[in-house]
Amino acid sequence: NAGVTQTPKFRVLKTGQSMTLLCAQDMNHEYMYWYRQDPGMGLRLIHYSVGEGTTAKGEVPDGYNVSRLKKQNFLLGLESAAPSQTSVYFCASSRLAGIENIQYFGAGTRLSVL
Amino acid sequence: AQSVTQPDIHITVSEGASLELRCNYSYGATPYLFWYVQSPGQGLQLLLKYFSGDTLVQGIKGFEAEFKRSQSSFNLRKPSVHWSDAAEYFCAVASNTGNQFYFGTGTSLTVIP
Repeated sequence: NAGVTQTPKFRVLKTGQSMTLLCAQDMNHEYMYWYRQDPGMGLRLIHYSVGEGTTAKGEVPDGYNVSRLKKQNFLLGLESAAPSQTSVYFCASSRLAGIENIQYFGAGTRLSVL
Repeated sequence: AQSVTQPDIHITVSEGASLELRCNYSYGATPYLFWYVQSPGQGLQLLLKYFSGDTLVQGIKGFEAEFKRSQSSFNLRKPSVHWSDAAEYFCAVASNTGNQFYFGTGTSLTVIP
């Protein structure tokens, strides 16, 4: 019963390097989300998707890109990593929006940018 | 704009004591409210949710929360805390379209023997 799986779990990058974080869900959920978690700031929404082939910006989208080519996968890309992107990244998915928006979270990816 | 305030950054309670974690929200319409718990190194797990109806909602692990519209609050309570409840707790509000969640900054709970 995997739920939401994030890979990798840890990563260290140098400034300017690029990388892609993968989120996979096996619950056939329509909605997927990427958050970042920083000390004292809670979780902030980066991008989200309301279905295959669609993406939208959240609260802090700058410096990130996303793609949802398959319903079960939601990729988060950093084209040119910066130290300010050092954070813990969480992916979440939900079956519905509105009144039944219950989000299920992955275990997180800890990213350090040197 | 929606927002959530958790005024207590850190709380310490003794095992067996009661617990109340505060959450205040700002939202123009009827909010959808949630409490999540995060154990160290883990993702967030849903404790309970409020959409409508009875203002006292029950969740997992013996937690409950009460929605008070007049105070714009959704405080989390537990009558008797267990050592395993030590974790970070997040309150969240969702818009009526439900596409976006807004999380509070979290309250870290320490349980002492």
